[in-house]
Amino acid sequence: SQTIHQWPATLVQPVGSPLSLECTVEGTSNPNLYWYRQAAGRGLQLLFYSVGIGQISSEVPQNLSASRPQDRQFILSSKKLLLSDSGFYLCAWSVSPRGGTIYFGEGSWLTVV
Amino acid sequence: GQNIDQPTEMTATEGAIVQINCTYQTSGFNGLFWYQQHAGEAPTFLSYNVLDGLEEKGRFSSFLSRSKGYSYLLLKELQMKDSASYLCAVSSAYSGAGSYQLTFGKGTKLSVIP
Repeated sequence: SQTIHQWPATLVQPVGSPLSLECTVEGTSNPNLYWYRQAAGRGLQLLFYSVGIGQISSEVPQNLSASRPQDRQFILSSKKLLLSDSGFYLCAWSVSPRGGTIYFGEGSWLTVV
Repeated sequence: GQNIDQPTEMTATEGAIVQINCTYQTSGFNGLFWYQQHAGEAPTFLSYNVLDGLEEKGRFSSFLSRSKGYSYLLLKELQMKDSASYLCAVSSAYSGAGSYQLTFGKGTKLSVIP
């Protein structure tokens, strides 16, 4: 069966510090991968998606970036965090491109102070 | 663009039945999903409707009317553990052939009381 893991689960970072969140998927090949953010009181916002190694699409302008160095690895990064970057970050995967069922990782709580 | 509306909060009694509605406006409709999200946790997939009608899965059922842009999630025999947010998500055409996007509503927070 397929599983998805992301880490760290929780982190508190000062403004201006870098960020790296990692996500891996097991039990499937060539998954479509996603990074979502869920801010307090708001819905899920798609940040990035990837259909293959090195292929990243950004949905919204921001100071975050994503990379996919391996087929089942997806990384979310920032060089300098802003207070507004605080939120619940979710990695997800799917078989079908974009519009199919997606399955979420456990999530990472980021607080920028 | 897409517009998805669902109530912000609902309260229901343990053992009762509750219906959570979702209305949407979109072009190139490709399906509607329901997810459950407990506080502080990631969403988990509940159901998928692409054709009109009712899909039943245990205590949970989901209904879709494409002509009305309407769906509901029905929860029967409510249990305390059903207290969670329920997210409606619509899959619709994005751009380019065969490309779709999944857009989430803001969720309905359901509180089950004894």
